[in-house]
Amino acid sequence: DIQLTQSPSSLSASVGDRVTITCRASQNIRSYLNWYQQRPGKAPKLLISVASTLQSGVPSRFSGSGSGTEFILTIFSLQPDDFATYFCQQSYSPPLTFGGGTKVEIK
Amino acid sequence: QVQLVESGGGVVQPGRSLRLSCAASGFTFSRHGMHWVRQAPGKGLEWVTFMSYDGSNVYYGDSVKGRLTISRVNSKSTLYLQMNSLRAEDTAIYYCAKGEYTSPYVLDVWGQGTTVTVSS
Repeated sequence: DIQLTQSPSSLSASVGDRVTITCRASQNIRSYLNWYQQRPGKAPKLLISVASTLQSGVPSRFSGSGSGTEFILTIFSLQPDDFATYFCQQSYSPPLTFGGGTKVEIK
Repeated sequence: QVQLVESGGGVVQPGRSLRLSCAASGFTFSRHGMHWVRQAPGKGLEWVTFMSYDGSNVYYGDSVKGRLTISRVNSKSTLYLQMNSLRAEDTAIYYCAKGEYTSPYVLDVWGQGTTVTVSS
C-alpha cells in the first residue's frame, strides 16, 4: 500500500500568512495526488486534484505543486475561512490512502 | 445540485450488522464510481471501499475486507455498505463520496456522513 506522510501535523498561523503543507508518498505516484479541506463538523471538500488543478469555486490563494513523491499545498494569504484540517490523498492505485492531516489553527 | 445523503447509522453491539445507504441526486449516478470513507472520532480519514460505475471493479481497505461489502443499485441511484461482524474500531462517521467521471479515484463530492457507534 502507498503511505502518505503529511507535515506538519498542525500549525498556528495568522490571517495573511503564507502556509505550506507537505505530503510525501512512499513511492512514485506521478501527479495522482489530491488535497481536501475539512472544516470542523463538516464533510471533506476537494480543493485540488492531480497535484495542481484547482477545483471550480476554490479561491486562487490555494495552490498545489509537486510530482513523484513530494507534494506541496500552499495557501497564500491565509483567510479566516481557511482554518481547517487539510488532507492529501493518492489516487494512483487502490487501496486509496490519505495522509494523516494538517490542522491549521489561528495564532 | 449534486447531493449525496447517507442514512442507516446508529448504535449497534459488537458482532452485529448494519446497512448504510447513500442516496444520490443531481448527477447521472450510473456513470460514476462511488466510495465509502470513514473517520473515527478525532482521527483522520480512512478510505473504506470503491465500486466502479457498473459494479465490475470493487476494492476494499485491508481493515474491512471480508466484513464490509459495497453494492449499488443504479436504477435507484443508491449506494450501500453492508457491515457485518462489527467491531469497536468500526465506530466512525461514514461518508459516501462520488468519483470524478474521468478520474474515479478522485472524490469530488461528499455526503454529510452518517455515524456508526459499535458498543455494548
